[in-house]
Amino acid sequence: DGGITQSPKYLFRKEGQNVTLSCEQNLNHDAMYWYRQDPGQGLRLIYYSQIVNDFQKGDIAEGYSVSREKKESFPLTVTSAQKNPTAFYLCASSGGGWHSEQYFGPGTRLTVT
Amino acid sequence: AQTVTQSQPEMSVQEAETVTLSCTYDTSESDYYLFWYKQPPSRQMILVIRQEAYKQQNATENRFSVNFQKAAKSFSLKISDSQLGDAAMYFCAYRQETSGSRLTFGEGTQLTVNP
Repeated sequence: DGGITQSPKYLFRKEGQNVTLSCEQNLNHDAMYWYRQDPGQGLRLIYYSQIVNDFQKGDIAEGYSVSREKKESFPLTVTSAQKNPTAFYLCASSGGGWHSEQYFGPGTRLTVT
Repeated sequence: AQTVTQSQPEMSVQEAETVTLSCTYDTSESDYYLFWYKQPPSRQMILVIRQEAYKQQNATENRFSVNFQKAAKSFSLKISDSQLGDAAMYFCAYRQETSGSRLTFGEGTQLTVNP
């Protein structure tokens, strides 16, 4: 089955620790995206990558970092510099063309205490 | 910067009836895509319908249709014959050709379907 995998579904960390969220896709998509969702708000873009070894900041990149070493993988690291990291994180991918839609993973709920 | 506004935080509808969710957006682009996504309690984002701005005909997908008013920058979603499974958070989203085809989302509308 083709799709996007995010693991784990729930993640708990202590304040001050870095944590990496996994996102893997087997859709052979060029572009990948990370969004953050807070209660009562829409999704906000953290980082995106249109091609391997290249990525751009989104609207709320501060306190986050990413890498894109392989086409199928786009891990997101939430660093200790992120002031309010508790949120629901969604990964998406698309074929990259203008007419391509974004497909979303199931999300990871991160709780930092 | 592009913005998307959904002015109805919550809506409710009786099963089998019709409901319309509102969305407005702001852009200076002439060509772009607009989307409606559904997020049920599982939190999986599901694409409901999409509309390319240069196409004047309103998109339709089974019970879901849109009313796209380009000059007014309005993009509403109509759900006909509402079903219990339609209960979800609905997000309107905008995508422009530049900037990596990134999506800009509205705040969402929580739809309740009453039996």
